[in-house]
Amino acid sequence: DTGVSQDPRHKITKRGQNVTFRCDPISEHNRLYWYRQTLGQGPEFLTYFQNEAQLEKSRLLSDRFSAERPKGSFSTLEIQRTEQGDSAMYLCASSLARLAGASTDTQYFGPGTRLTVL
Amino acid sequence: AQSVSQHNHHVILSEAASLELGCNYSYGGTVNLFWYVQYPGQHLQLLLKYFSGDPLVKGIKGFEAEFIKSKFSFNLRKPSVQWSDTAEYFCAVNALRMDSSYKLIFGSGTRLLVRP
Repeated sequence: DTGVSQDPRHKITKRGQNVTFRCDPISEHNRLYWYRQTLGQGPEFLTYFQNEAQLEKSRLLSDRFSAERPKGSFSTLEIQRTEQGDSAMYLCASSLARLAGASTDTQYFGPGTRLTVL
Repeated sequence: AQSVSQHNHHVILSEAASLELGCNYSYGGTVNLFWYVQYPGQHLQLLLKYFSGDPLVKGIKGFEAEFIKSKFSFNLRKPSVQWSDTAEYFCAVNALRMDSSYKLIFGSGTRLLVRP
């Protein structure tokens, strides 16, 4: 069990640029989550995948944000036309749901990608 | 909308003092409850969780939490803190709804500083 990994760990970009983050979940975990955390706040939910299907998106996820999990393994989160308000820590978590509708899985978090938009 | 409140934003204790961090949530249905900890320079780690059964749950490193349904609370406790417990603590709730949402709703966190 190598844990959830995220790449890059830090990203500095200029306003208006596009950025893409990657998340590799714990092997065989079928659920994958993205959260965003700003200074002094707890993580806020962005979106969630069960295998390759994106099943829930937060209203925080504007149309500039897109997430994919094409083969049900790693996931990418892309932000287009970045704004200074996008500066935050982007966290990925994964969990193993033994049944399709299971609600007792535990989310394990990665180290996050810290985005700074200048 | 569901929310989670952690009323203590900063707590400073001396080693061996007892700890209690408050967590209240707003949701009238069934919930799963979690406490996560983030040590300096590290990522979020699970401290303990409650799904069902005994409302007093024990976690790692001597932490425990009690679910009081009537008070919508899930307070974290430790009888004697150590310097190594210095960290930020987050309470999180998964409100179990018919639409099968599995997202966690987090409180804003409590920064604990333990003085040696």
